[in-house]
Amino acid sequence: AQSVTQLDSHVSVSEGTPVLLRCNYSSSYSPSLFWYVQHPNKGLQLLLKYTSAATLVKGINGFEAEFKKSETSFHLTKPSAHMSDAAEYFCVVRRREYGNKLVFGAGTILRVKS
Amino acid sequence: GAVVSQHPSWVICKSGTSVKIECRSLDFQATTMFWYRQFPKQSLMLMATSNEGSKATYEQGVEKDKFLINHASLTLSTLTVTSAHPEDSSFYICSATSSGRTGEQYFGPGTRLTVT
Repeated sequence: AQSVTQLDSHVSVSEGTPVLLRCNYSSSYSPSLFWYVQHPNKGLQLLLKYTSAATLVKGINGFEAEFKKSETSFHLTKPSAHMSDAAEYFCVVRRREYGNKLVFGAGTILRVKS
Repeated sequence: GAVVSQHPSWVICKSGTSVKIECRSLDFQATTMFWYRQFPKQSLMLMATSNEGSKATYEQGVEKDKFLINHASLTLSTLTVTSAHPEDSSFYICSATSSGRTGEQYFGPGTRLTVT
């Protein structure tokens, strides 16, 4: 069985301060992991993905995530938050043996204060 | 590249009527398309997986006769919500993937369905 747990439903940061969105996964196999962002009433945009290459993955808009197998974590970070980063973020795991189905975490709403 | 569109972006219909939502891959051939449902303030839940030219595979708890999925070509899949009820009001999102793109799913912008 597999699942993905986003540890915080809401995160609030001030503009210019670091962002940390936490994600833990469980999987019997080496997973593919993704972070997606969704702005209100919009579709999903891929921020970054991990597919068993480098454990530190750099994505768009200054975001990055580190795959830590020992901790089964894939936390999303950004050194300095912008107002435009305010959105909902989803951590997602994929298992190829199940036809590339994606399993979504519950989401973390990021609020950026001015 | 890898653009997926959905039409309409929003729709309001009366209870008891049917609504069709289209999902198109604009610049690649989608061998597999997925349909998700997202309730307000909740995560995405996979409804079904469809492969071009074959019947869709529905997730547990999703009514096949209510949510009709057709994937007639490599660039088009449709979701028809039949005899819609207010509880079917939701945000429906499709995604598409092809064998030539390492299995990555590309998401459409979503369709907001409101049933009155």
